[in-house]
Amino acid sequence: GAVVSQHPSWVICKSGTSVKIECRSLDFQATTMFWYRQFPKQSLMLMATSNEGSKATYEQGVEKDKFLINHASLTLSTLTVTSAHPEDSSFYICSARDRGLGSNQPQHFGDGTRLSIL
Amino acid sequence: DQQVKQNSPSLSVQEGRISILNCDYTNSMFDYFLWYKKYPAEGPTFLISISSIKDKNEDGRFTVFLNKSAKHLSLHIVPSQPGDSAVYFCAASPRRGSQGNLIFGKGTKLSVKP
Repeated sequence: GAVVSQHPSWVICKSGTSVKIECRSLDFQATTMFWYRQFPKQSLMLMATSNEGSKATYEQGVEKDKFLINHASLTLSTLTVTSAHPEDSSFYICSARDRGLGSNQPQHFGDGTRLSIL
Repeated sequence: DQQVKQNSPSLSVQEGRISILNCDYTNSMFDYFLWYKKYPAEGPTFLISISSIKDKNEDGRFTVFLNKSAKHLSLHIVPSQPGDSAVYFCAASPRRGSQGNLIFGKGTKLSVKP
């Protein structure tokens, strides 16, 4: 089945640090990848849609200069949380769809990154 | 304003019985619905989906029912097994032509007791 790898799985760092999270589709190509954030006891909230070779599309209320997204290839998207602060502490999850399967097919998720800012 | 609602935060079922998880949505533009299962500290795993042109989709022990007029879908698991214990998320996607972003409910924690 489709596998999405996300790295790192856990990050603890000081306030002001920038943190990069990688999302890779291991056995398929993904024109589009998605970045979600989940706070405790809440649903997954879409932050942005990452498009290979073009700029990401951010959801309302998500600062694009704060959350930098790069989708340089069909198998890799990165999310960089710049100058992270404690309020950025959350569970970040990426997902991807196989571009070869057309529309109306499921997204496959990575295992998420637990980000804790001290 | 939540577009996808899972009103039951938790559900407890005896092993071997049926588990029924419910989901309501408000946006009539949604035309593709999915259920994901999530264990702690892991990403969601795709379980089953249904297109708006259908009212039922079955895959082994899992069946999803869609009632478009009521904007309601449900996931039936029968027979339930202890390994089914997890958080189940309902998700919806807008019509074709969109990039396929998903709107998630808050999840229902299912506990299947031996």
